[in-house]
Amino acid sequence: EIVMTQSPATLSVSPGETATLSCRASQGVGSNVAWYQQKPGQAPRLLIYGASTRATGIPARFSGGGSGTEFTLTIGSLQSEDFAVYHCQQYNKWPLWTFGQGTKVEI
Amino acid sequence: EVQLVQSGAEVKKPGESLKISCKGSGYSFTSYWIAWVRQMPGKGLEWMGIIYPGDSDTRYSPSFRGQVTISVDKSISTAYLQWSSLKASDTATYFCARSNYDYIWGTGGYFDYWGQGARVTVSS
Repeated sequence: EIVMTQSPATLSVSPGETATLSCRASQGVGSNVAWYQQKPGQAPRLLIYGASTRATGIPARFSGGGSGTEFTLTIGSLQSEDFAVYHCQQYNKWPLWTFGQGTKVEI
Repeated sequence: EVQLVQSGAEVKKPGESLKISCKGSGYSFTSYWIAWVRQMPGKGLEWMGIIYPGDSDTRYSPSFRGQVTISVDKSISTAYLQWSSLKASDTATYFCARSNYDYIWGTGGYFDYWGQGARVTVSS
């Protein structure tokens, strides 16, 4: 099983600042990584796929990067609606897809 | 508009059976995989398994194989997740999600639409 390790577990930032979240894969997954945002009581929402492609309707302040085993999600100029939990997912090894444990972005 | 609408919250006792559903609309239901994802209280997401409604091809995560059954009725655009004997440790919210995975090319394995989630509580 490919283990996805996210860091930090919690990230405290102020509105207007930039947040950088990390996700490390236990083995190479190419660019087959997605990022999701989840707010309390809601389903996850797709933000990024292919490591760096924004999903439809996602603001440009969200950007993804990386390949192989190291990936990042950067949220520029944080807005109040961006405070949430963010999950990474690898889909390189079919059918053994896995998620990270999540990073909470808090004020 | 693409929608995945799940059945409602359930409260069950240990040992009981349960089948929850996920109805797709607004797209060609038989052309996309439907996955099930578990989220235990306060925890992260866990991929359980996936089914292709077009031919019912089903794959499971090793962690969930033998513990749950995934099925589909394409005539009513609905996927199911079922348990034959629930345990307290099955208490969680379960999401269905759509994937356009192409296993020949290895692309599209992300989830672009999600159901609203179904909370399952198992308690004596």
